[in-house]
Amino acid sequence: NAGVTQTPKFQVLKTGQSMTLQCAQDMNHEYMSWYRQDPGMGLRLIHYSVGAGITDQGEVPNGYNVSRSTTEDFPLRLLSAAPSQTSVYFCASSYGRDRNTEAFFGQGTRLTVV
Amino acid sequence: GENVEQHPSTLSVQEGDSAVIKCTYSDSASNYFPWYKQELGKRPQLIIDIRSNVGEKKDQRIAVTLNKTAKHFSLHITETQPEDSAVYFCAAGPPHNFNKFYFGSGTKLNVKP
Repeated sequence: NAGVTQTPKFQVLKTGQSMTLQCAQDMNHEYMSWYRQDPGMGLRLIHYSVGAGITDQGEVPNGYNVSRSTTEDFPLRLLSAAPSQTSVYFCASSYGRDRNTEAFFGQGTRLTVV
Repeated sequence: GENVEQHPSTLSVQEGDSAVIKCTYSDSASNYFPWYKQELGKRPQLIIDIRSNVGEKKDQRIAVTLNKTAKHFSLHITETQPEDSAVYFCAAGPPHNFNKFYFGSGTKLNVKP
């Protein structure tokens, strides 16, 4: 199993550009999430999904969209990039079902918005 | 929503000493408390977790304690080694919205050889 795979690993965007961060997992996990990691602020939840076709907002959803058309994929879209979105983005998946379980993280995407 | 606070932000210990990292949470309904280790440039990885029906859990040199009344939990690392140097994050998970975790701000642990 590859686990959780994110692409790209690095990206530089100009202010106002849009892009999609890709996330795929091959563990048949129901739950998938996107976090952003900023220095001194830990990991903050952007959006999450409890299954195909179901998504919801986390702590910091503004400026981001998600969709979950399949169990395996959970892309994160930046509609109009801003310098405040410069961060490291992590996708995570977990088994979920009837209780909290370990979250498996992707290797991260380092995004710089200039 | 849940608020998780973590202290200290940095911790430096001598190899062989113990290290303790503390976290508090605000939502008394939270019932799952994982700890993640993140090495420089790597992804966070789970090292230990505890559920609210347990007060203490141990795995070799790592232990976690939970005080539900006071709403705080701690990570204890004994006999620290240089490879323990990393950033450690605590998190809290709610009982009804599984896997929607709230993370602390992280502790950078430096183990000096």
